[in-house]
Amino acid sequence: EVQLLESGGGLVQPGGSLTLSCEASGFAFSNYGVSWVRQAPGQGLEWVSSISGNGVTTYYADSVKGRFTISRDNSKNTVFLQMNSLRGGDTAVYYCAKDLFGLAGRFDYWGQGTLVNVFS
Amino acid sequence: QPALTQPASVSGSLGQSITISCTGTSNDVGGYNFVSWYQQFPGKAPKLVISDVSNRPSGVSSRFSGSKSGNTASLTITGLKAEDEADYYCNSYAGNTNFAVFGGGTRLTVL
Repeated sequence: EVQLLESGGGLVQPGGSLTLSCEASGFAFSNYGVSWVRQAPGQGLEWVSSISGNGVTTYYADSVKGRFTISRDNSKNTVFLQMNSLRGGDTAVYYCAKDLFGLAGRFDYWGQGTLVNVFS
Repeated sequence: QPALTQPASVSGSLGQSITISCTGTSNDVGGYNFVSWYQQFPGKAPKLVISDVSNRPSGVSSRFSGSKSGNTASLTITGLKAEDEADYYCNSYAGNTNFAVFGGGTRLTVL
C-alpha cells in the first residue's frame, strides 16, 4: 500500500524558514518523482515543486522560485521542502504527492498534508 | 489566478449526469494528453479519479469518465449519488516551463 506522510509544518513568522519532510512507503521510491502541492485556506490546489526519482531534475512554481528548495534522500525514502523567506501568502496545507510515473506532473497518491501558518 | 479555468460550481439531481469543464491553452491541456482529475472532500487529501484524459484508476467508479477537445478537458459523472458531492480539480502537465498546473476547482452539489 502506497503511503506518504508529511511532517514539519507549524507556525512561523514572516521571513522565517521551515523544512517539510515527506516519508514514503509502498512503492519503488527512487523510480518516481515526488511533488509538493499546497492549498491555502478555502482555496484551490497550487503546484509548488517537483523532483525526479534520482534527484537530478527539479521544477518550481514562479511563486516560490528562489525561496524554496526541494531535495530527496532515496536511502530514507524521504523528500524535503526547504522553505525560506516565508510570506503570509505561503500559509497553506502542504501535500506531498507521488507522480503518476517518472516525473509526470500528475499525481496518483497524496499524503494527508501538513499545515504551514505564516503569521506576524 | 489558476492557470486552468473551471466553473466554480455545478449541481445535479440524484441519478442525473453532470459535466465539469477545464479550459487551458495549447501549452498545457491542448498540448498534451496529460490531464488528470481529482476529487476532494472537506479536510481530506485529493484523490485521483481520472488520469491522462480518460483513464480510470482501479477502484474508481465507472460512473466517472473524462474526455478532451482542443484546449478543454471534461469530467463527466453519470448516475449522480450523494457521495459524489465534493470539490473537483483538473490538472495538466505543462511542459518544462510551468511543469504542472491546476484548475481553480469546482464544487459539485447533488440535489
